[in-house]
Amino acid sequence: GDSVTQMEGPVTLSEEAFLTINCTYTATGYPSLFWYVQYPGEGLQLLLKATKADDKGSNKGFEATYRKETTSFHLEKGSVQVSDSAVYFCALRQGGSEKLVFGKGTKLTVNP
Amino acid sequence: NAGVTQTPKFQVLKTGQSMTLQCAQDMNHEYMSWYRQDPGMGLRLIHYSVGAGITDQGEVPNGYNVSRSTTEDFPLRLLSAAPSQTSVYFCASSWSGGPLYNEQFFGPGTRLTVL
Repeated sequence: GDSVTQMEGPVTLSEEAFLTINCTYTATGYPSLFWYVQYPGEGLQLLLKATKADDKGSNKGFEATYRKETTSFHLEKGSVQVSDSAVYFCALRQGGSEKLVFGKGTKLTVNP
Repeated sequence: NAGVTQTPKFQVLKTGQSMTLQCAQDMNHEYMSWYRQDPGMGLRLIHYSVGAGITDQGEVPNGYNVSRSTTEDFPLRLLSAAPSQTSVYFCASSWSGGPLYNEQFFGPGTRLTVL
């Protein structure tokens, strides 16, 4: 079945550091790919998405590019802030279904 | 719009007790789902519904029951609580169908502890 693998955390960075959180997937066909963010004590929010190969999703300074050849969707941000501290989930959705398949999540802590 | 609401926020049960977690949305979404979140496991789909009167099982349905009598509400029932059901439960909703992705909106979660 479909699956998502993302780097284990936790990740601790200093403010203004560069962030990469790796995500790879296993799926048939051409799934849509997503990053969700969960701030402490809250539900998940969609951060960005890409629906086809080579698409780049971006939001709030975060970016991820859908790489079909490497089945990857790595999340990057050039300069993190303390307010970016959260748990980040990579997920996929197959066409024709609303069901999301999530990775295990990566906890990010940014220190001032 | 209130979005997706869940009640209660916290609940403690004893083994064997039953309870219902409530989920409601006011966005007229057809698709609703329940996930559980456990440390190191990410979110796993319990049950989902593509419209009133239609439900189906997800990845981890055992011990849970759902029904969808209205578009707005999608309650999750624990029939006989077990310690393994200690988790944080999230409800989500979205439009359904069509060629484009429909963003799923998540509720704030219910933290359940079974003793």
